[in-house]
Parts: sequence; C-alpha cells; structure tokens
Amino acid sequence: AQKVTQAQTEISVVEKEDVTLDCVYETRDTTYYLFWYKQPPSGELVFLIRRNSFDEQNEISGRYSWNFQKSTSSFNFTITASQVVDSAVYFCALSEAISSGSARQLTFGSGTQLTVLP
Amino acid sequence: DAGVTQSPTHLIKTRGQQVTLRCSPKSGHDTVSWYQQALGQGPQFIFQYYEEEERQRGNFPDRFSGHQFPNYSSELNVNALLLGDSALYLCASGEQMTYGYTFGSGTRLTVV
Repeated sequence: AQKVTQAQTEISVVEKEDVTLDCVYETRDTTYYLFWYKQPPSGELVFLIRRNSFDEQNEISGRYSWNFQKSTSSFNFTITASQVVDSAVYFCALSEAISSGSARQLTFGSGTQLTVLP
Repeated sequence: DAGVTQSPTHLIKTRGQQVTLRCSPKSGHDTVSWYQQALGQGPQFIFQYYEEEERQRGNFPDRFSGHQFPNYSSELNVNALLLGDSALYLCASGEQMTYGYTFGSGTRLTVV
C-alpha cells in the first residue's frame, strides 16, 4: 500500500524567510510519480511539480525548489524568500506508474498549512 | 480555455438524503476522478471514470456511485447521507496514459 507522510501540520514564517516542507513516502513500486500541489482558501488544487522515480535531479523553478532523495524516500519542497501570497496548504502526493492503460490514482499526504506573515 | 468546472459550489443536505455533484472536465481531457477531502485532511480517492466506465475505486462504500457521459462530464452520487460525508468533493480531469491532473475548486457538502 502507498502512504505519504507530511509531519509538519502547520508552519509559520516571516516574509522573506526560506521554508522547507517535508514529505516522506512509502511504496513497493519501483516506478512511481511524486507531486506537490498548493491549495489556497478557494479550494482548488494547483499543480506545482511532478517528478518520476528515475529522475533524482533537484529542480528549481523561480523561488521554488524540490529535493528528491530516493535513499530516504523523501521529496522535500523549499520556498526561498517566502511571500505572503505563498500562504496556503501544500500537499505532497504519490502515484503508481501507469499500467493497463489506466492513469493511476493519487495518494495524498495530510498537508502542511503554511502561513507567511508580513 | 475553461478548466475543470464543478457544480454546485456549496450544498446543504439532511442526513439520509441523496445528493448529486457534477463535473465538467477541462477541454481535451477524457478521464475524470473524484476525491473527498474532509476538513484538515488530504484528498482521498473515490473513483475514476474513463470511457463511461468506472476504472478504479478507492475504499468507499457502495453508497458512493458515479457516472460519466459521452461528453466526458461526470456525476458523483451519494445515497443515504451520513454526517461524516460532510466534506469538500474535488473533481480532477486528465488524459489517459498521462499524469496531467487538473482539479476543480470543489463542491462543499454539509450534511446536517
């Protein structure tokens, strides 16, 4: 069975601080995909990144960066120089690889509420 | 280009009643998945529809059922509502054999 753990329930930082959101996952599959989503108060889940299990290169997109470490089953997310607009709930999710012609379901963590104070 | 559209946005129902939620996928998407998100928790997978058939199902009772129409839109039906069914119901659309899931803003269901 798949499992995603986000141990940090809530994080509060002051604007311009860097913040890292932790994600640890469990799966028996050798091929899988990891995701991060942002959920603002409006409720819509906004896609941030997808990474497959064979690509352990870190990725940077503007102020966002992701550190994937297969050895520790972690996929952590760092926001550099945080801004008030970054305040939201952030979810890490896991999906098995596609098989039998059917896109696989997402297994989500419980989310981390990030509050960035001005 | 409209994204995923869900209706209604909010709904209040009485315990024991039945409810139908609707989802129109993003243009070009043929697969629809439904998720239940209880307050303070992550979304939980209910089921997925492709080619008008249920393809995968999560750990939800038979009270939860769905349908996909030829235009790829979908409905989620919940019978015999329980207080515990109160949640945000999210619809996600995508294309088969890809991982590009797009989520709607959800329907907030309150059971009283």
